[in-house]
Amino acid sequence: GAGVSQSPRYKVAKRGQDVALRCDPISGHVSLFWYQQALGQGPEFLTYFQNEAQLDKSGLPSDRFFAERPEGSVSTLKIQRTQQEDSAVYLCASSLKVAATNEKLFFGSGTQLSVL
Amino acid sequence: QQQVKQSPQSLIVQKGGISIINCAYENTAFDYFPWYQQFPGKGPALLIAIRPDVSEKKEGRFTISFNKSAKQFSLHIMDSQPGDSATYFCAASQGAQKLVFGQGTRLTINP
Repeated sequence: GAGVSQSPRYKVAKRGQDVALRCDPISGHVSLFWYQQALGQGPEFLTYFQNEAQLDKSGLPSDRFFAERPEGSVSTLKIQRTQQEDSAVYLCASSLKVAATNEKLFFGSGTQLSVL
Repeated sequence: QQQVKQSPQSLIVQKGGISIINCAYENTAFDYFPWYQQFPGKGPALLIAIRPDVSEKKEGRFTISFNKSAKQFSLHIMDSQPGDSATYFCAASQGAQKLVFGQGTRLTINP
């Protein structure tokens, strides 16, 4: 596709439910990032992949959060036993090359997760 | 820990005026300072970015001013237009693109 695609666009989950959020990066992009954006705030880094390797997961808020990119293209962010504080927009971003200064990031429109 | 502080939180400017948004950072290891524009329901989109070895960068109506000694940088939007109404985020990173974002500025341009 022409841009980074994320699905679903909206997700409503009951507290305690597991959710999976999908990201389709731009074809051929090596680097993939997940960010979490709370309402009225700036995005916060969650994790970074270079191809299929997860090189940085320092931003994942708890062990309930898990991300994977098994074939170096599509990525899934999974949240187990969702809590109300997990409600946010989850943004995926990709870039063509290995992460480096000045390499342009392309963001998707995000998945808005609401935990009731 | 708030590593990038952005102000103001909201800003109203008349059409044709200059919009100015400011950011301050703490980590002197940061070496990349981008500004992003975000419309409702969309992801952030890169507007313009600067490295700390230059003090100013201009692209069309958008200019970044950078003050390394003060650890501050700002975005100036000249001849502001209603289509510029959006939320703007400054960000910073060290080396790889693990961006640290500011809190955002909601800009409204009145026609």
